[in-house]
Amino acid sequence: QQQVKQSPQSLIVQKGGISIINCAYENTAFDYFPWYQQFPGKGPALLIAIRPDVSEKKEGRFTISFNKSAKQFSLHIMDSQPGDSATYFCAASIQGAQKLVFGQGTRLTINP
Amino acid sequence: DAGITQSPRHKVTETGTPVTLRCHQTENHRYMYWYRQDPGHGLRLIHYSYGVKDTDKGEVSDGYSVSRSKTEDFLLTLESATSSQTSVYFCAIRERTASTDTQYFGPGTRLTVL
Repeated sequence: QQQVKQSPQSLIVQKGGISIINCAYENTAFDYFPWYQQFPGKGPALLIAIRPDVSEKKEGRFTISFNKSAKQFSLHIMDSQPGDSATYFCAASIQGAQKLVFGQGTRLTINP
Repeated sequence: DAGITQSPRHKVTETGTPVTLRCHQTENHRYMYWYRQDPGHGLRLIHYSYGVKDTDKGEVSDGYSVSRSKTEDFLLTLESATSSQTSVYFCAIRERTASTDTQYFGPGTRLTVL
């Protein structure tokens, strides 16, 4: 119940295309869903986050879509650029809890 | 990097030897975490701390111990390293506001156990 399942494991998108990464969870108590971006040789960094009171959050080219009834959330990267090539992790937590639960990660490659 | 440093950044050791990794923060954050990152497994929590001398286990704590004798330092010890502990280890701190709950990660330590 504490798991977050992320797919796909790897993704190749052409420059200018839309990258979509999906996550699913079981624990309905989760109420905070961040996405982290990690470049090679670096630690993960927070990219964007959403709470379940909204169905979508957009920051620049990055959008989180949240489907509470399906217990799924996804990251959309519009107009994908080679600089977006990185590993992306979804995560979930419960407000007041001390831990984040991470998905397995998606390695995204944007071809020029 | 939110004032987080990890040392060493790279280490090669032999099976059976003890290893200690250090995480240092400069901003007095209460929560600190140790994760390991392995292909296909993402980030897995080893141990975390919610204050000086207050620590708890994560999902993959077997073979690891931690100590936090002062706010700024969180040590991860492998008492007797095994090849299965070859991994990249990340330390993180937690920063909470009214609307956000963010973990900031250090640069990582690449550990190889031969």
